Amino acid sequence: LAKTTQPISMDSYEGQEVNITCSHNNIATNDYITWYQQFPSQGPRFIIQGYKTKVTNEVASLFIPADRKSSTLSLPRVSLSDTAVYYCLVGPWMIKAAGNKLTFGGGTRVLVKP
Amino acid sequence: EAGVAQSPRYKIIEKRQSVAFWCNPISGHATLYWYQQILGQGPKLLIQFQNNGVVDDSQLPKDRFSAERLKGVDSTLKIQPAKLEDSAVYLCASSLRTDYEQYFGPGTRLTVT
Repeated sequence: LAKTTQPISMDSYEGQEVNITCSHNNIATNDYITWYQQFPSQGPRFIIQGYKTKVTNEVASLFIPADRKSSTLSLPRVSLSDTAVYYCLVGPWMIKAAGNKLTFGGGTRVLVKP
Repeated sequence: EAGVAQSPRYKIIEKRQSVAFWCNPISGHATLYWYQQILGQGPKLLIQFQNNGVVDDSQLPKDRFSAERLKGVDSTLKIQPAKLEDSAVYLCASSLRTDYEQYFGPGTRLTVT
């Protein structure tokens, strides 16, 4: 599984856009990029996944350049409730043989201030 | 749809004691996972079940940890005897199949004194 590197922490203010960049230089052809969000005292929650270019859902956007060696999670207009740890994961998806094993790094602690 | 249920939510034991955690996955989910999350770190997979069979237990400390999923539904993770370094949150997750999104429970926070 590809190793990922992301900032340990980031501070932001309500209403701002938060961008978290994840480096994954050794990403393989079959790998997808998946982001999970974890609030205090809760288990992680899937927020977005992509393979290339841009993916957007109701929670976030994910930007992936052509070389796929990095990706950026964008959280638009954050609120206090977006304070959480965000994990970038890289690995095969929807491939039964791979077993969908998730390998979490340390994540990025995002603190949204009023 | 009900989420993944775990109990207890908190447990404090002394070292060398034993402890058990219970997980009830989302109905119909064939795959069940147990993770260990030490404070300040990301979750680490301990064991993965597909129905009642073990798919991956490569990171499970088998000398003290055991897990079972006898009827392919709920699961129990046991630690015997516990060590101080076992203090962590134990998360259970389930997915429809091995290649589908995982849904996590709230976790059990274990403190070993």
